[in-house]
Amino acid sequence: SQTIHQWPATLVQPVGSPLSLECTVEGTSNPNLYWYRQAAGRGLQLLFYSVGIGQISSEVPQNLSASRPQDRQFILSSKKLLLSDSGFYLCAWSTASSTNEKLFFGSGTQLSVL
Amino acid sequence: GNSVTQMEGPVTLSEEAFLTINCTYTATGYPSLFWYVQYPGEGLQLLLKATKADDKGSNKGFEATYRKETTSFHLEKGSVQVSDSAVYFCALRPPRGSARQLTFGSGTQLTVLP
Repeated sequence: SQTIHQWPATLVQPVGSPLSLECTVEGTSNPNLYWYRQAAGRGLQLLFYSVGIGQISSEVPQNLSASRPQDRQFILSSKKLLLSDSGFYLCAWSTASSTNEKLFFGSGTQLSVL
Repeated sequence: GNSVTQMEGPVTLSEEAFLTINCTYTATGYPSLFWYVQYPGEGLQLLLKATKADDKGSNKGFEATYRKETTSFHLEKGSVQVSDSAVYFCALRPPRGSARQLTFGSGTQLTVLP
């Protein structure tokens, strides 16, 4: 069966420090991968999605970047965190079908930038 | 653009009470509508969906009916249990859209007391 791992669960970082959140998927090949963010009191916002290794699409301009070095690995990064980067970050995957609406989510990372 | 509005939480109910979580949407055409649930410490998972007007999605005792005339997709359950305590997200996807085009509401925290 397919599983998705996301870590760490919580993270407290100072302003200006770097960030690296990692997500891996098991039990499937060539998944579509996604990074979402939920700010307090707001809905999930899609940040990045990827349909293959090295293929990253950014949905909103921001201080963050994403990379996909392997088929089932998706990394969210920042060189210098801002206070506004605080939030709940979720990784997700779906099968490589343009009309498949079922997303499978990781358990999320609560990031606090102080 | 597309948007989803959910009733604000948190919602606290006693066991066996009736649950309604309101969800309304703004979209062109006939989007597909979803409810996702996030149990404590876990990722979001699809609870139910409806893809056309008057469809009723149901799962685990929860139901939601796609009402085009009121642009609503309210989540209901006749008798909640403590194990239903979770955050519930309403979402929509445009007609013939892909998973990356999902628009989520801000989530509603439900706590069921024994």
